[in-house]
Amino acid sequence: AQSVTQPDIHITVSEGASLELRCNYSYGATPYLFWYVQSPGQGLQLLLKYFSGDTLVQGIKGFEAEFKRSQSSFNLRKPSVHWSDAAEYFCAINTGTASKLTFGTGTRLQVTL
Amino acid sequence: NAGVTQTPKFQVLKTGQSMTLQCAQDMNHEYMSWYRQDPGMGLRLIHYSVGAGITDQGEVPNGYNVSRSTTEDFPLRLLSAAPSQTSVYFCASSPRGGGNTEAFFGQGTRLTVV
Repeated sequence: AQSVTQPDIHITVSEGASLELRCNYSYGATPYLFWYVQSPGQGLQLLLKYFSGDTLVQGIKGFEAEFKRSQSSFNLRKPSVHWSDAAEYFCAINTGTASKLTFGTGTRLQVTL
Repeated sequence: NAGVTQTPKFQVLKTGQSMTLQCAQDMNHEYMSWYRQDPGMGLRLIHYSVGAGITDQGEVPNGYNVSRSTTEDFPLRLLSAAPSQTSVYFCASSPRGGGNTEAFFGQGTRLTVV
């Protein structure tokens, strides 16, 4: 069965600093990968997705992620964090049928001013 | 365009009570699903549907029932609520099956069972 690991439960960065959130997956073939963001009291919003092709994908709000097959990773990055980026971030995998997502446990991002 | 609409947003139930969480989408999506979100556990799939009249179990189906009589609606029923069902529930829809499709989420229903 597939699984997703987000090793960092909580990360604090200063506004303007760079950010990298880690995501590792377990699956025997190339998965479909997603990053979602959840602001407090809100639903989930898709940041970006990887289906195939270029391993560096661009998303909304200045985020990008890189798929590395050799490391089974799909880390999320942003060059300069804004205070409004404070939220919880979820990495998810979809391995094919029925649009069923398997989520990681999430990383809560705190941004200090 | 409303997208995925969940009602209610908040609910408090007593142990043993029943209730239905409503989910409606106006995007004519075939696939719909229910997830629950618990601290430190991410989102886990409860039930899903690949079209009207077709439903199946996800990772944590016990204590929940679903039905899909129309493309638009996918209600989640708790027949006898338990404190372990205290959680935030999210409904999602996707335009088609397969992994290479985006899921659109509702705003969630926060349920407390006392």
